[in-house]
Amino acid sequence: GQSLEQPSEVTAVEGAIVQINCTYQTSGFYGLSWYQQHDGGAPTFLSYNALDGLEETGRFSSFLSRSDSYGYLLLQELQMKDSASYFCAVPQAGTALIFGKGTTLSVSS
Amino acid sequence: NAGVTQTPKFQVLKTGQSMTLQCAQDMNHNSMYWYRQDPGMGLRLIYYSASEGTTDKGEVPNGYNVSRLNKREFSLRLESAAPSQTSVYFCASRAGDTGELFFGEGSRLTVL
Repeated sequence: GQSLEQPSEVTAVEGAIVQINCTYQTSGFYGLSWYQQHDGGAPTFLSYNALDGLEETGRFSSFLSRSDSYGYLLLQELQMKDSASYFCAVPQAGTALIFGKGTTLSVSS
Repeated sequence: NAGVTQTPKFQVLKTGQSMTLQCAQDMNHNSMYWYRQDPGMGLRLIYYSASEGTTDKGEVPNGYNVSRLNKREFSLRLESAAPSQTSVYFCASRAGDTGELFFGEGSRLTVL
């Protein structure tokens, strides 16, 4: 089967940097995705890593190490609007995406 | 461009009633998905369809059925609703083999 582990909560202040980790166990690996979800909203796609290394998109970066079955989402220059839930996800058998339980990020001023 | 559209957005059912959640996407995606989201449980996959004419069970399929009516539409049916099916349901679609899903706005279902 598959499982993904990520912290349930993270807190930080505006302007800080925060890292949300995700470890996974899968029978086959196709890539690691990250999603953001604000309260009452739908999840929105942030990034996808199919290969090892760091992918940067503005203030957000995502890292993958396939040998360690580990990835993280790095959020820089935190803003209040970054307060949300963040989910990592992996494809199962290449088609079905399975999600972690999510990390709630609270940013304070 | 509407993306992924789900109906209804809100629904209240009594135990034992049936209903169908409708989902349509206009992005010509092959794969479509139904997830449920409960507090503290993340998004759990109910059923998915890799392409028109195929459907497969996900993590929590019991109590649900699906139909991939055509490439655009993927419906989720509750034949006999139970309070345990009170949840927020999300439909999503994906193009190709990327890790990017496009989600609908969600359908909030309460079963009394």
